[in-house]
Amino acid sequence: ETGVTQTPRHLVMGMTNKKSLKCEQHLGHNAMYWYKQSAKKPLELMFVYSLEERVENNSVPSRFSPECPNSSHLFLHLHTLQPEDSALYLCASSQGGRNYEQYFGPGTRLTVT
Amino acid sequence: GQQVMQIPQYQHVQEGEDFTTYCNSSTTLSNIQWYKQRPGGHPVFLIQLVKSGEVKKQKRLTFQFGEAKKNSSLHITATQTTDVGTYFCAGPNTGNQFYFGTGTSLTVIP
Repeated sequence: ETGVTQTPRHLVMGMTNKKSLKCEQHLGHNAMYWYKQSAKKPLELMFVYSLEERVENNSVPSRFSPECPNSSHLFLHLHTLQPEDSALYLCASSQGGRNYEQYFGPGTRLTVT
Repeated sequence: GQQVMQIPQYQHVQEGEDFTTYCNSSTTLSNIQWYKQRPGGHPVFLIQLVKSGEVKKQKRLTFQFGEAKKNSSLHITATQTTDVGTYFCAGPNTGNQFYFGTGTSLTVIP
């Protein structure tokens, strides 16, 4: 499945580093999402963009900064992360918002040391 | 706060046995979606139910949305090794906040 791609697939970063995760969708969708998946916890919705505007920010710490330059691309900028931020970060897209099926990318496995 | 719980958390079945996972929300959901995540993979959409009491079938999978739109179930008949993975329910509440359930991890023993 190549409808939603994410890079990098794996990332190891120190707590003082700055890095960015990239997501690209090739499905013509108008909504994009960032999720965090930690071990033994439900998928947590972090941010929602609809028509390139952020419509939801679920109490995510400011060390995570999303950017949606157009309807096909979504970034998650990371800085001064904590070890507890280590997780699988999943990007998803949908047509018409969260009432509709979401297509997920393969995820970025992030380890903060 | 909003919670979407699934039981059981883990299920081991012998190949050929049936499997059911139950999804319970603390508040009414506008619709219910089901996703499957294979080990090492990402969630893949299976189906969406919208109407109260709705039942849908996909081959060996039967999905049901409760009358009160606060619970749902997924039943797999005669499991196969390809059914292995974690099954998540998900949906928006009436405030349009979207939540994933806690998931049920299914292991099928050949």
